[in-house]
Amino acid sequence: GQSLEQPSEVTAVEGAIVQINCTYQTSGFYGLSWYQQHDGGAPTFLSYNALDGLEETGRFSSFLSRSDSYGYLLLQELQMKDSASYFCAVRDKGYSTLTFGKGTMLLVSP
Amino acid sequence: NAGVTQTPKFQVLKTGQSMTLQCAQDMNHNSMYWYRQDPGMGLRLIYYSASEGTTDKGEVPNGYNVSRLNKREFSLRLESAAPSQTSVYFCASSEGQLNTEAFFGQGTRLTVV
Repeated sequence: GQSLEQPSEVTAVEGAIVQINCTYQTSGFYGLSWYQQHDGGAPTFLSYNALDGLEETGRFSSFLSRSDSYGYLLLQELQMKDSASYFCAVRDKGYSTLTFGKGTMLLVSP
Repeated sequence: NAGVTQTPKFQVLKTGQSMTLQCAQDMNHNSMYWYRQDPGMGLRLIYYSASEGTTDKGEVPNGYNVSRLNKREFSLRLESAAPSQTSVYFCASSEGQLNTEAFFGQGTRLTVV
């Protein structure tokens, strides 16, 4: 099977940088994805890492270390609208679909 | 841009009642999924359809059935609802089975009393 661990909650202030970590255990591994969900609405895709290293998309970056079974999502120049839940997800050989972590709630304060 | 459309948005059922949650996508995607989301549990896969004409069980399939009616539509049926099925249900689609970018509907908030 597969399991993903991420912190349940992270708090930060506007303008700051925050890192949300994700460790995973899978039988085989294809890549790590990140999704954002506001107030129980539809989750939306943020990024995907198949190879080691950092992927940057605007204020958001995602990192993967396959040897450590570890990744993180880095959010810079935090804004109030970034307050949301963030989920890491893996696709592995066991399941041909996405398996999600339990999510990290990010609270951004003024 | 409709994307993935789910109906209904809200539903209250009595224990033992049945209902079907509808999902349709207009992106010509091959793969479709049903997830449930419970507080603190993340998104758990109920069933998925890798392509038209195929369906497979996910992590939590008990108490549910699905139908991939055509390429656009993927429905989820609760034959005899139980309070444990109170949850938020999300339908999603992706171009293919291995695509990591999935597009989600707005969810169906189901309460079973």
